[in-house]
Amino acid sequence: DAGVTQSPTHLIKTRGQQVTLRCSPKSGHDTVSWYQQALGQGPQFIFQYYEEEERQRGNFPDRFSGHQFPNYSSELNVNALLLGDSALYLCASSSLTEIGNQPQHFGDGTRLSIL
Amino acid sequence: GNSVTQMEGPVTLSEEAFLTINCTYTATGYPSLFWYVQYPGEGLQLLLKATKADDKGSNKGFEATYRKETTSFHLEKGSVQVSDSAVYFCALSDIRYGNKLVFGAGTILRVKS
Repeated sequence: DAGVTQSPTHLIKTRGQQVTLRCSPKSGHDTVSWYQQALGQGPQFIFQYYEEEERQRGNFPDRFSGHQFPNYSSELNVNALLLGDSALYLCASSSLTEIGNQPQHFGDGTRLSIL
Repeated sequence: GNSVTQMEGPVTLSEEAFLTINCTYTATGYPSLFWYVQYPGEGLQLLLKATKADDKGSNKGFEATYRKETTSFHLEKGSVQVSDSAVYFCALSDIRYGNKLVFGAGTILRVKS
């Protein structure tokens, strides 16, 4: 049973560029959430997708956008990259039918470095 | 809004020592509480959870009890091993806000042999 898979594992970009990160949820899960984890900090919620729509959004600017596909996989797009966007980006999946007390399953993340 | 506060690290212990990592939360509702662990270079793994007051979550020798009266969810283990060295995150989710997780800043645990 494959867990949450993310790609790529590492990425180096320069300021002003755009980046796309990808996530495939755990089998049986229909909800995907994205988190940003800066070095030495806890993950911060970016947004959550269900049925190909953004259901919730954290306190992140519009430069951060996402998409969910019919197979439940998801992309995170970040435009006009800033040095402060350097972080580990984590994808988590869960099942909406078990909302609230259902723990989310995390991928190993994409390490994004901005030069 | 909801928030989680963890004790600052790093926490350095000798093998077989007793571990406590403190976690307190602020929430207006009745959140579910979680401990996640992150090993170097990896994502987060769920360690244990509790969904209502007085519930005790336990896994791999770790345990934590949901204390509503003190808004706490402290992580304990009776005898740590070198392999327990990792970063530990306390988190909550509130059903009124979907199941997004609100994390503490994390506590680094280092266990020496």
